[in-house]
Amino acid sequence: ETGVTQTPRHLVMGMTNKKSLKCEQHLGHNAMYWYKQSAKKPLELMFVYSLEERVENNSVPSRFSPECPNSSHLFLHLHTLQPEDSALYLCASAPLGGNDYGYTFGSGTRLTVV
Amino acid sequence: GENVEQHPSTLSVQEGDSAVIKCTYSDSASNYFPWYKQELGKRPQLIIDIRSNVGEKKDQRIAVTLNKTAKHFSLHITETQPEDSAVYFCAHQFYFGTGTSLTVIP
Repeated sequence: ETGVTQTPRHLVMGMTNKKSLKCEQHLGHNAMYWYKQSAKKPLELMFVYSLEERVENNSVPSRFSPECPNSSHLFLHLHTLQPEDSALYLCASAPLGGNDYGYTFGSGTRLTVV
Repeated sequence: GENVEQHPSTLSVQEGDSAVIKCTYSDSASNYFPWYKQELGKRPQLIIDIRSNVGEKKDQRIAVTLNKTAKHFSLHITETQPEDSAVYFCAHQFYFGTGTSLTVIP
């Protein structure tokens, strides 16, 4: 493990379901990120959290709702998703917020919306 | 947000040859320029980075160069090996390039 753990690894959900993705980092980092990876847009920024405060929301639809209860945990709550939301959702962490440090990525959650 | 463009989208080289991937950016606010490698079915991993106070950085067979005036930075891989085959991403200010799929032909 690299220090960033994502669960579940795979998720299949219907369009009316509600589910949550979880990310946990054991690196002592203070910034956490959600990215969406699909064939259409390889690494698309969704949300940025620095010291548990959301600092970036890249025009993501409200059916995606992030939560960062502390600097080690990040959640992505999902509801009434669309088939085009099927993708790999990657969590990443970095020592500090801003743009000056490289990311450590988790293995991702492969989401399929049916 | 920032606009990061990456070229080429695919690249095939013979084993032992060099590979060069280039990215351009629009916003100069950040001085940090990383490169990531993503092997098939795996997570992206940071392989090298550079800050704008230097123009070049090397780590064994890989190097990154930065031209702040022209707003572009490049990844150079020398003496390529089959295990270098992967997708490579540049990044700047939270935003990633569209990736370059590198294939090294034995």
